[in-house]
Amino acid sequence: DPKIIQKPKYLVAVTGSEKILICEQYLGHNAMYWYRQSAKKPLEFMFSYSYQKLMDNQTASSRFQPQSSKKNHLDLQITALKPDDSATYFCASSQDAGVPLYFGSGTRLTVL
Amino acid sequence: GDSVTQTEGQVALSEEDFLTIHCNYSASGYPTLFWYVQYPGEGPQLLFRASRDKEKGSSRGFEATYDKGTTSFHLRKASVQESDSAVYYCALSADSNYQLIWGSGTKLIIKP
Repeated sequence: DPKIIQKPKYLVAVTGSEKILICEQYLGHNAMYWYRQSAKKPLEFMFSYSYQKLMDNQTASSRFQPQSSKKNHLDLQITALKPDDSATYFCASSQDAGVPLYFGSGTRLTVL
Repeated sequence: GDSVTQTEGQVALSEEDFLTIHCNYSASGYPTLFWYVQYPGEGPQLLFRASRDKEKGSSRGFEATYDKGTTSFHLRKASVQESDSAVYYCALSADSNYQLIWGSGTKLIIKP
């Protein structure tokens, strides 16, 4: 059974709309992360959370907002979507704010 | 800043060939080094890691030895199989923080 669940697996959106990517982990980890993968940048770190608090943000745009309602949840809200946001978004977790990371299977977002 | 440089692009081999994917790093102190593998449609998975000079990491027939002298952590496998087709990432975590620094990834293609 997958220990990190990402929903949905595929997502199509129109330019200017807003979407939420869901991530839940059942590994008992205290730290969670978002990464983005596209043809332009193979694996790009976006955010890290530890005990539901933001630790690091490497995303230049405020259109990307993580949301942590529970320790094992870290959703990603993306507003005012652009075609350049098209990518696969991976959620990951680790025991604490450290390594190694365990990844979910990703949400593939296409913005038309 | 810290960085990882690995074999660019892709490597095409036949089954039972010997594999080497080069990974060199730049970091102060003693970073922890990792190899991750990503199969199509999945998130990266940890292959193994090493934390000390001369330490060997290994898994599924793959191995790499931490070499502080040459700042390298080259991935090797004696006899590749079709099921090894994937993208391989070298990464490091520096002493001072938890964030992973990723290489650009190397796609392994096994020719029929």
